[in-house]
Amino acid sequence: ETGVTQSPTHLIKTRGQQVTLRCSSQSGHNTVSWYQQALGQGPQFIFQYYREEENGRGNFPPRFSGLQFPNYSSELNVNALELDDSALYLCASSLRGGASKETQYFGPGTRLLVL
Amino acid sequence: ILNVEQSPQSLHVQEGDSTNFTCSFPSSNFYALHWYRWETAKSPEALFVMTLNGDEKKKGRISATLNTKEGYSYLYIKGSQPEDSATYLCASFKAAGNKLTFGGGTRVLVKP
Repeated sequence: ETGVTQSPTHLIKTRGQQVTLRCSSQSGHNTVSWYQQALGQGPQFIFQYYREEENGRGNFPPRFSGLQFPNYSSELNVNALELDDSALYLCASSLRGGASKETQYFGPGTRLLVL
Repeated sequence: ILNVEQSPQSLHVQEGDSTNFTCSFPSSNFYALHWYRWETAKSPEALFVMTLNGDEKKKGRISATLNTKEGYSYLYIKGSQPEDSATYLCASFKAAGNKLTFGGGTRVLVKP
């Protein structure tokens, strides 16, 4: 059983650019959630994908978008990067979307720096 | 309580001592409370998912209790060891949006 993996591990972009982060879910999991963790804060929920459909969204602007593929891997896309987008981006997979008792299994994160 | 809050933000514990810290969350529309341990340079690791008022869960030397009526959970570490050094995160599940709302974490440093 493989765990959740994310790529790349680190990334540096400049303001206004676009970025794509990738996440491979744990084997057998059909749900992926994305979180942003700014320095000194807890992870903030961005959105969740369940069977290739968005299944919930936090308070993030539309320039944060995502995709989930038939193999349940997922991408997070951020357009028009701003300095405040600098953060650790975590993805987590789980067996079922929208289930309060489901444990989420986290990847190691992608550290994004926007200059 | 409108958000999930954790206290203290950090604490230092002597090896062998026991410690505990708090997670406060909105008690209305409660569904579940999750605890995670996050060691430096690793992925957050699930400890417990708790749903019922009065729930107590245990994993080795770590245990947690839940009070859904007043909106708090305690995490206890008995006989702290250096490997317990980590940030401990709690998160409340909200059905609206299918999302986990995390607290800011309690950073625990166990000194030998």
